[in-house]
Amino acid sequence: QVQLVESGGGLVNPGGSLRLSCAASTFIFSDYYMSWIREAPGKGLECLSYISNTGSYTSYADSVKGRFTISRDNAKNSLYLQMNGLTVEDTAVYYCVRQRVSSGSYHFDSWGEGTLVTVSS
Amino acid sequence: SYELTQPPSVSVSPGQTARITCSGDALPKQYAYWYQRKPGQAPVVIVYKDNQRPSGIPERFSGSSSGTTVTLTITRVEAEDEADYYCQSADSSGVYVVFGGGTKLTVL
Repeated sequence: QVQLVESGGGLVNPGGSLRLSCAASTFIFSDYYMSWIREAPGKGLECLSYISNTGSYTSYADSVKGRFTISRDNAKNSLYLQMNGLTVEDTAVYYCVRQRVSSGSYHFDSWGEGTLVTVSS
Repeated sequence: SYELTQPPSVSVSPGQTARITCSGDALPKQYAYWYQRKPGQAPVVIVYKDNQRPSGIPERFSGSSSGTTVTLTITRVEAEDEADYYCQSADSSGVYVVFGGGTKLTVL
């Protein structure tokens, strides 16, 4: 059973920063693309960013480009999301998600339980 | 930015057929995936690459594609099918991965 455990969420002031972490286990982490997906209150799922298995390629949604940075440490089986310039619109549950790549398309097959980020003064 | 459009809600009686659509300009070019999400649970892929069904997913669930619209069809709907359903695909470049807004299926 794939295990993905997020940490680092919490309450932060607008303009502040947070770093989310995700500890992966029970699968070969370095074989997989990984993503951060969020769900804001009353809204749907939003794929914020993903990173290739080696870390050499990253992609960001327009909503977070220039503010968030995804990274990974394959030696530690860990995924990270550095979030800067947070706004109230970034309030959401953030999920660490394993991504599958097939025939040039992506989808998601395993999700963590999520960590709540609340941006408020 | 690229968007996928789903109806917010669909209601159907048990035993009937539910159809949930997802529209997007790049769908003729990019595969679509469908997820089922029940309260408190992680999303589960129920259709991949437009019309393929993962092992363990009942045959009642099927996907189809026509032009800029993909459709999830659930036949012989059961009470346990009540959930949120999300489509997911990518923009024409294949770089940006997006979800539809989700459709709440209510079994009357």
